[in-house]
Amino acid sequence: ETGVTQSPTHLIKTRGQQVTLRCSSQSGHNTVSWYQQALGQGPQFIFQYYREEENGRGNFPPRFSGLQFPNYSSELNVNALELDDSALYLCASTPAGSRSSGANVLTFGAGSRLTVL
Amino acid sequence: GEDVEQSLFLSVREGDSSVINCTYTDSSSTYLYWYKQEPGAGLQLLTYIFSNMDMKQDQRLTVLLNKKDKHLSLRIADTQTGDSAIYFCAERRDSSASKIIFGSGTRLSIRP
Repeated sequence: ETGVTQSPTHLIKTRGQQVTLRCSSQSGHNTVSWYQQALGQGPQFIFQYYREEENGRGNFPPRFSGLQFPNYSSELNVNALELDDSALYLCASTPAGSRSSGANVLTFGAGSRLTVL
Repeated sequence: GEDVEQSLFLSVREGDSSVINCTYTDSSSTYLYWYKQEPGAGLQLLTYIFSNMDMKQDQRLTVLLNKKDKHLSLRIADTQTGDSAIYFCAERRDSSASKIIFGSGTRLSIRP
């Protein structure tokens, strides 16, 4: 059973550019959540995808968008990058059936560290 | 994190017990979690507790929940150097099953 994998692990962009981060969920998991973790902070919920649709969103502007694919993998896209977007972006998946009941335990990937210059 | 608060640092001697505390504000929270993050890694679930429980024990870990005071604690018995990490408290609110809210984390360091 593979865990959650994310790519790339590190990347550097400049202000105004766009970035796409990728996530493969754990086998058997059909729900993917994305979190932003700034240095010294806890993860902040960006959004969640279930059945290829956005299902819940945190306090992030529309330039943060996502996709989920039929194989449950997911992308996070950020347009018009700002310096404050520098952070560790974490993807987490949850098992099918746990979304609305049960403990909804998140399994996290190791993250993609984005630096915006 | 919004509405979930933790102290930033805790230092304990190797072999002693560590107690990490957390307060939350939403009384509708259904599940509360403790996650561990080691340097350069994602978050690893340590344990969780359902809101109708007061205590949960799992080997060296003991979770205590005081729902009246909205206080959650994690006790690690016989703390080892491998326990050095950042510990995050998190809550799942019943009103938003998709969203789990994290605290800012407590950095646990171990003294020899």
